[in-house]
Amino acid sequence: EVQLVESGGVVVQPGGSLRLSCAASGFTFDDYAMHWVRQAPGKGLEWVSLISWDGGSTYYADSVKGRFTISRDNSKNSLYLQMNSLRAEDTALYYCAKGGEDYYYMDVWGKGTTVTVSS
Amino acid sequence: SYVLTQPPSVSVAPGKTARITCGGNNIGSKSVHWYQQKPGQAPVLVIYYDSDRPSGIPERFSGSNSGNTATLTISRVEAGDEADYYCQVWDSSSDHQVVFGGGTKLTVL
Repeated sequence: EVQLVESGGVVVQPGGSLRLSCAASGFTFDDYAMHWVRQAPGKGLEWVSLISWDGGSTYYADSVKGRFTISRDNSKNSLYLQMNSLRAEDTALYYCAKGGEDYYYMDVWGKGTTVTVSS
Repeated sequence: SYVLTQPPSVSVAPGKTARITCGGNNIGSKSVHWYQQKPGQAPVLVIYYDSDRPSGIPERFSGSNSGNTATLTISRVEAGDEADYYCQVWDSSSDHQVVFGGGTKLTVL
């Protein structure tokens, strides 16, 4: 069974940093691109970032470009999101999602980890 | 950047057909993917590449895409289909980004 388990969400002050992790199992991790998607309380889905199967290509939403960095460790079947210069508007439930047969959609999602940016 | 427009809400009686639209400039030239999200749960892919269904998704769910509108159709709607539905595309312009629609709340009357 494909499983994605996110961790690392906490309460952090504005301007602070945080690293989210996603542990993957049940599939050949290094065959697939991976995404981070977030959802602010009561709001819709917002795509955050995408990384190719080998980490060679990364893409970001304009709202996080220059502040967030996506990475992966295929030897550990793990995906990461380094979040710097956090703002109140980054408060959300952050989902890790497996890319489909190509980069461009998500066929399995984790349950998410909550990030709250507040003083 | 590319914008996807969904109606905020759609209501349908049980057993009837629900159609949820997703509007975008020449969206017919893109591949559209659809997700279902029930309250308190993670999203689930229900349609990919306009009209393909993942395994485990009922045949009642179908999709189409042409011109400036993509449509998710749910036939013989059941109470359990009540959820938020999101369309999504890949914007391969200079932005190279995933774009989600704003979501549509499907209410089963």
